[in-house]
Amino acid sequence: DTGVSQDPRHKITKRGQNVTFRCDPISEHNRLYWYRQTLGQGPEFLTYFQNEAQLEKSRLLSDRFSAERPKGSFSTLEIQRTEQGDSAMYLCASSQSRLAGTQYFGPGTRLTVL
Amino acid sequence: DAKTTQPTSMDCAEGRAANLPCNHSTISGNEYVYWYRQIHSQGPQYIIHGLKNNETNEMASLIITEDRKSSTLILPHATLRDTAVYYCIVRGSGGGADGLTFGKGTHLIIQP
Repeated sequence: DTGVSQDPRHKITKRGQNVTFRCDPISEHNRLYWYRQTLGQGPEFLTYFQNEAQLEKSRLLSDRFSAERPKGSFSTLEIQRTEQGDSAMYLCASSQSRLAGTQYFGPGTRLTVL
Repeated sequence: DAKTTQPTSMDCAEGRAANLPCNHSTISGNEYVYWYRQIHSQGPQYIIHGLKNNETNEMASLIITEDRKSSTLILPHATLRDTAVYYCIVRGSGGGADGLTFGKGTHLIIQP
């Protein structure tokens, strides 16, 4: 399968712990996006990369959230000092820059903070 | 990006055409209309997009009114697997800096 993959699919953690999620985009896509989705809501855009450059990060929810894409391939999203309000689905998507509105999403990582 | 308005939910009988409306009265000239859907517990899936002409692909048809203030997504022969939340999104052309802006979408339920 050559779609977007995310790991892990589910993560349960205790409040105050750090968590890291990984996203592997479609190989020929140079753009990678992170979204968060809470119950009953549509996905909420967080940040995006073009190759290894993070071009938009003002939408990250707080300074506890950070993302990297060191070699322009896979990306990681880290949440430090997790809070119960961070419980959500974290979605990754990728696209070609010339077709940025056509994004391909992964299955998501479901985070539960106890 | 322009705001969109969609009904909260709709029902459709299996085998019939499902017509999902979307209002985007503040759309500007260079903004496209995109449709995505999200089946339960999966990531969103791109369906179709258009600027001002009607578009058709293997999944659906998109009808945009002449004044571009509204559009309709048509699933010609709905199946149970089309039960999902459908999102209408308006977005500028080209490689814009922002991600997609999702609303709450329309929950389409296909009835057997």
